[in-house]
Amino acid sequence: AQSVTQLDSHVSVSEGTPVLLRCNYSSSYSPSLFWYVQHPNKGLQLLLKYTSAATLVKGINGFEAEFKKSETSFHLTKPSAHMSDAAEYFCVVSDSNTGKLIFGQGTTLQVKP
Amino acid sequence: DAGITQSPRHKVTETGTPVTLRCHQTENHRYMYWYRQDPGHGLRLIHYSYGVKDTDKGEVSDGYSVSRSKTEDFLLTLESATSSQTSVYFCAISDRNYRGYTEAFFGQGTRLTVV
Repeated sequence: AQSVTQLDSHVSVSEGTPVLLRCNYSSSYSPSLFWYVQHPNKGLQLLLKYTSAATLVKGINGFEAEFKKSETSFHLTKPSAHMSDAAEYFCVVSDSNTGKLIFGQGTTLQVKP
Repeated sequence: DAGITQSPRHKVTETGTPVTLRCHQTENHRYMYWYRQDPGHGLRLIHYSYGVKDTDKGEVSDGYSVSRSKTEDFLLTLESATSSQTSVYFCAISDRNYRGYTEAFFGQGTRLTVV
């Protein structure tokens, strides 16, 4: 069965500094991977997705993620944090056999002025 | 925005009563999902569907049942609501193409309180 682990439950950065949110996955096959963001009391919004095309994926609002098969990782980065980036971030993998979407536990990003 | 709506958006119900939540899509997507979101647990899959009348359990399926009699509707039923089922419930839809599974689109959520 596929699974996803977000390595940090909480990340705190200062505004203008880089953001790194870490995600590792387990998968027997080539996975489909996604990052979603959820602002307080809001729904979930897709940031970016990897579906076996380019390994460096660009998303909205300046976020990027790199698929590294050898490390089974899909870490999310942004060069410069903005106050509006403060939110909950979820790494998600699609089970190749069943289509189930498996969520990580989430990482809360705090951005300090 | 993807055509996915959940109803009701808010509900308060009493322990022991049955409750049905509805998810409706206009995208003709094959896959539909029900999740619950609780603090500290992220989103946990309750049930999902991979086609009309084709459903399977997720990781927290006890106390829940689902039905999908047509492509556009996926119903989640709490047979006898308990306080532990107080949560925010999200429906999602996705599909599959030659590249793999597409991104999921989520409904706005249903806040259910069991008193």
